[in-house]
Amino acid sequence: AQSVTQLDSHVSVSEGTPVLLRCNYSSSYSPSLFWYVQHPNKGLQLLLKYTSAATLVKGINGFEAEFKKSETSFHLTKPSAHMSDAAEYFCVVTAPGSGGGADGLTFGKGTHLIIQP
Amino acid sequence: EAQVTQNPRYLITVTGKKLTVTCSQNMNHEYMSWYRQDPGLGLRQIYYSMNVEVTDKGDVPEGYKVSRKEKRNFPLILESPSPNQTSLYFCASSSRLGGAGYGYTFGSGTRLTVV
Repeated sequence: AQSVTQLDSHVSVSEGTPVLLRCNYSSSYSPSLFWYVQHPNKGLQLLLKYTSAATLVKGINGFEAEFKKSETSFHLTKPSAHMSDAAEYFCVVTAPGSGGGADGLTFGKGTHLIIQP
Repeated sequence: EAQVTQNPRYLITVTGKKLTVTCSQNMNHEYMSWYRQDPGLGLRQIYYSMNVEVTDKGDVPEGYKVSRKEKRNFPLILESPSPNQTSLYFCASSSRLGGAGYGYTFGSGTRLTVV
């Protein structure tokens, strides 16, 4: 079985300061990991993905994430927050055949990112 | 533009009145899936389809039906909606089962209210 834990349901930062959204996972198989962003009244958009290549993954809009197998973490970071980053962020793990939904996809419960002016 | 299109975006209906939410993708993806999103629960899979005429249950299939007669379309059917099906629904597609390194493309969502 596999699981995803997003450690913070809400994160609030000031504009221009760093962003850290934390995600821990568990999986018996070599997983693929994703971060998705959902802006208000919008669908989910893929930010970045890890698929067993480089452990530091760069995504869109200045976001990046580092896969740390020893810590079973896949935290999302951005050096400087912008007002347009305010959204809901989902960490997702998939390892087909390992459980977690019929297609092996398990979503975290989401982190709401608030940007203070 | 590559996209997944859902309709309608918003729907208010009454208990027991059959409804269909449509989903269409233009990327020739084999794999399509329906999710519902509820506060504090994240996204949960309702049904998925690996190809035409191949569908299977996800984690929360009760009260829903789907069909996949064409590759591009994957409608979600609520034969007798109930208030506990009030939710935000997303359709997604991928060229690989589980998004296997490719990720999913999501529709913009359908907000359904059953009164």
